[in-house]
Amino acid sequence: QITLKESGPTLVKPTQTLTLTCTFSDFSLSASGVGVGWIRQPPGKALEWLALIYWNDDKHYSPSLRSRLTITKDTSKNHVVLTMTNMDPVDTATYYCAHINSRVFDIWGQGTMVTVSS
Amino acid sequence: QSVLTQPPSVSGTPGQRVNISCSGSRSIGFNSINWYQQVPGTTPKLLIYNANQRPSGVPDRFSGSQSGTSASLAISGLQSEDEADYYCATWDDSLNGPVFGGGTKLTVL
Repeated sequence: QITLKESGPTLVKPTQTLTLTCTFSDFSLSASGVGVGWIRQPPGKALEWLALIYWNDDKHYSPSLRSRLTITKDTSKNHVVLTMTNMDPVDTATYYCAHINSRVFDIWGQGTMVTVSS
Repeated sequence: QSVLTQPPSVSGTPGQRVNISCSGSRSIGFNSINWYQQVPGTTPKLLIYNANQRPSGVPDRFSGSQSGTSASLAISGLQSEDEADYYCATWDDSLNGPVFGGGTKLTVL
C-alpha cells in the first residue's frame, strides 16, 4: 500500500527558506513512469500545484513560483525534497506531496501545515 | 493556460442526485478530468480519474463525464458523509503539470 508523508517546520519566518521532505513507501522513484508532486492549499482556499519530479529526474515547476522552488529526489532514501525560498505570509498553507501515476495525482500524503510569521 | 471553473457551492438533500460542473477555459480535449473529494480537515482523495473511472473503493454513486470543454461529477443517493469540497483537475500540457479548479462545496441539507 503506497503511502507518503510530509515533514518539515511548522513555522518559518518571512524571507527564510522552507525545506519540506516527502517520505514514501511501497513504490520506487526509479521505476519508469513514476513521479512525485507537491501541492499546497492556503487555509480555506483551493489546491495549487507547485512542482513535480519523475523517475528520470525530469522536473517541472509552477510558472508563478518557478524562481523560488527546487525539487530533488533521493531514490535510495525514498525521499523527495522541496525547497521554497524567500517565504512570505501568503505562503502559509498546508503542503501535500502526492504519487503520480499516468499524470494523475492518485495518492496523497496527510499534508503538513506551514505558517509564515515573524 | 487552462483555467477550470467550478460553481462555489451546491446543495442537496439526502437521497437526491447532484451534479458539479467543471468548465475549461479552452478545450480540455485529450486531457481527461480528474475529481477529488476533500472532507473538511482531511487530505484530498481521488474520486474519479480519466473523466469517468473510479478508483477501487469509490462507491458507484459517484460518476463522471466529460464532453469537449465541460465535465461533470454526479453524486446519486446523496448521503451526509458526501458533504465535502470537490475539485476538478486536468493536466496542462503547457505546464507539464496539473491545474485545479477552484473547488465546489457540497452541503447536504
